[in-house]
Amino acid sequence: DVVMTQSPLSLPVTLGQPASISCRSSQTLVYGDGYTYLHWFHQRPGQSPRRLIYKVSNRDSGVPDRFSGSGSGTDFTLKISRVEAEDVGVYYCMQGTHWPPTFGPGTKLDIK
Amino acid sequence: QVQLVQSGAEVKKPGASVKVSCKASGYMFGDYGVIWVRQAPGQGLEWMAWISALNGVRYSAQKFQDRVTMNTDTSTSTAYMELSNLGSDDTALYFCARGSSIPAAGDYWGQGTLVTVSS
Repeated sequence: DVVMTQSPLSLPVTLGQPASISCRSSQTLVYGDGYTYLHWFHQRPGQSPRRLIYKVSNRDSGVPDRFSGSGSGTDFTLKISRVEAEDVGVYYCMQGTHWPPTFGPGTKLDIK
Repeated sequence: QVQLVQSGAEVKKPGASVKVSCKASGYMFGDYGVIWVRQAPGQGLEWMAWISALNGVRYSAQKFQDRVTMNTDTSTSTAYMELSNLGSDDTALYFCARGSSIPAAGDYWGQGTLVTVSS
C-alpha cells in the first residue's frame, strides 16, 4: 500500500498567522488519466471529516480561500494563509491514485 | 442539500456481525458511489470499501475483503455495509461518504455510526 506521511503531526498556531502542512507519498500519485488524486480533509473534534481540497489544488464548495493546496508527484502542501479559531482539528491528506486509497496519519492543529 | 444519514450506534459481541445503513438525499443516488471509512477511537481514518450505486460494482480493501458485504437500495437511496466476525479491534466510528469513483474522495459524509465490540 502507498504510505502517506505528514509533517508536522502537531501544529500550534497563533490566530491570524499562516500554517503549512506537508504530505508525502511513497509513490508518485499521477493517475493514468493524468490527474493526481491527492485530497485534503479537515476533521473537527466530534465531527465527520470534511473534504477541503481535491486533486491537489481544487477547493471544495464553501471552503474559504485562505486554504490552498499545491504540489506534484510525491510532495504536497496544504496552506492556511491566516488561521482562524474554526480551523482547529486534524488535517488528513489522502491518495486515491493507487489501490487501496490511503490516508496520512493526520496533523493536529490547535491555537497557541 | 446533499445529506447522508447513518443508522444509530451498535454494541456487538465478538464474532457477531453488524449492518450499518446510510440514507442519501439531495442528489441522484444512482449517479454516485458510496465509500466506507472507519476511525478507531483516537486514531486516524481507514478506507474500507466502495460500491457503485449505479451498477453495484464493489471494491474492498484486502483486509476487509472476506468480512465486508455492501449493497445499495436505489428505491430508498440507501447503502448498507455489513461487517462480519467482529473483533475488539473493529470498535470504531464507521462513516459513509459520497464518492463518484474510487480515486475521488468523499465529498459529503455521514455523521458516523459507532460500533462497539465487547463481550
